[in-house]
Amino acid sequence: GAVVSQHPSRVICKSGTSVKIECRSLDFQATTMFWYRQFPKQSLMLMATSNEGSKATYEQGVEKDKFLINHASLTLSTLTVTSAHPEDSSFYICSAREGAGETDTQYFGPGTRLTVL
Amino acid sequence: EDKVVQSPLSLVVHEGDTVTLNCSYEVTNFRSLLWYKQEKKAPTFLFMLTSSGIEKKSGRLSSILDKKELFSILNITATQTGDSAVYLCAGTLMDSNYQLIWGAGTKLIIKP
Repeated sequence: GAVVSQHPSRVICKSGTSVKIECRSLDFQATTMFWYRQFPKQSLMLMATSNEGSKATYEQGVEKDKFLINHASLTLSTLTVTSAHPEDSSFYICSAREGAGETDTQYFGPGTRLTVL
Repeated sequence: EDKVVQSPLSLVVHEGDTVTLNCSYEVTNFRSLLWYKQEKKAPTFLFMLTSSGIEKKSGRLSSILDKKELFSILNITATQTGDSAVYLCAGTLMDSNYQLIWGAGTKLIIKP
């Protein structure tokens, strides 16, 4: 089946630095990728929808200048957390959509654990 | 290789029916299994199962984990059209990264 990978799986950084997380669809082309943040009690929050070749659509309350998303190709989307602070520490998950319309399927990545010191 | 397999991939039933969704897993260092319901935006968390044989229940939804046979089921009784969604299960790893291994989901359609 389709596989989505994320890199790195874990990152620890100092406050004020920027961190880039990659999301790749390994055996399919994904015109749309999604970025989520996991909160306590396993809840997921959609941060943004990333479309290849165009600007990402951010959900209300998500700072687009802080969470930069680039969907440079049909198999790669990146999330850059700029000037990270301890409150940005979280588990970030991406997903990639294969297909379109009623036959589309969304595949989720394994997540990236970000710890900001 | 760690993997989570859900079945069926899609299911169409009529309102009022009871459905059982399956999730089998092969996950080294298994910690827990999560069930989510995805409709529009982010998946909505349903259950986290860590112990075998203990049923978790929320309204018409219930779920149980079998750690010996490596599977979980999600039951929905008296289904309603609002239950139409993609149901995802994911295994979590017992490591410091808390990585998730996702199934491909079961697309459930409830017809009136």
